[in-house]
Amino acid sequence: DAKTTQPPSMDCAEGRAANLPCNHSTISGNEYVYWYRQIHSQGPQYIIHGLKNNETNEMASLIITEDRKSSTLILPHATLRDTAVYYCIVRVSNTDKLIFGTGTRLQVFP
Amino acid sequence: DAGVIQSPRHEVTEMGQEVTLRCKPISGHNSLFWYRQTMMRGLELLIYFNNNVPIDDSGMPEDRFSAKMPNASFSTLKIQPSEPRDSAVYFCASSWLGGRGKETQYFGPGTRLLVL
Repeated sequence: DAKTTQPPSMDCAEGRAANLPCNHSTISGNEYVYWYRQIHSQGPQYIIHGLKNNETNEMASLIITEDRKSSTLILPHATLRDTAVYYCIVRVSNTDKLIFGTGTRLQVFP
Repeated sequence: DAGVIQSPRHEVTEMGQEVTLRCKPISGHNSLFWYRQTMMRGLELLIYFNNNVPIDDSGMPEDRFSAKMPNASFSTLKIQPSEPRDSAVYFCASSWLGGRGKETQYFGPGTRLLVL
């Protein structure tokens, strides 16, 4: 199973873009990159996922490098409500399993 | 849809007692997952079902834990007997496994269990 590496914590000013990096150097060709976040005391919330191409939705953008060994989650205009732990996950091939790591604790400050 | 529903939201029990956690997945979903979250170990997958059949229970800590899914709209996670180290937040999640590798899991609010 591909493992992911994320910085333990990051800060971001409200209104600025938050760029959360993730390394997944052992990812296989058919494994998707998923991002979830967990706001304090709540269940994890799906944000976005991708395989090869960059993806964008109403919450965020996902930039995946051409070699697929790393990716960046971008929150274009961070708000205080985006303060959470963000998990980068490589979905296990041919299964429905998500293996959560320790994530990045993003603190958005006024 | 109301999302994934878990009950109870909080449970306090004494060591040795049986604990049953309940989950109602999102209607139409065919996969269900049980996770446990603690400060020490983070978020761990315990077991997951597909079409009501247990597919992978390798995360179940020991024989004191058991999970069932008698139908597509209900699952239980039982701990018997409970121990203080079982104290954690237990999450249930569901998804639609359509074989395209893009399935998204939706999590419930969790059950906060405290074993005294």
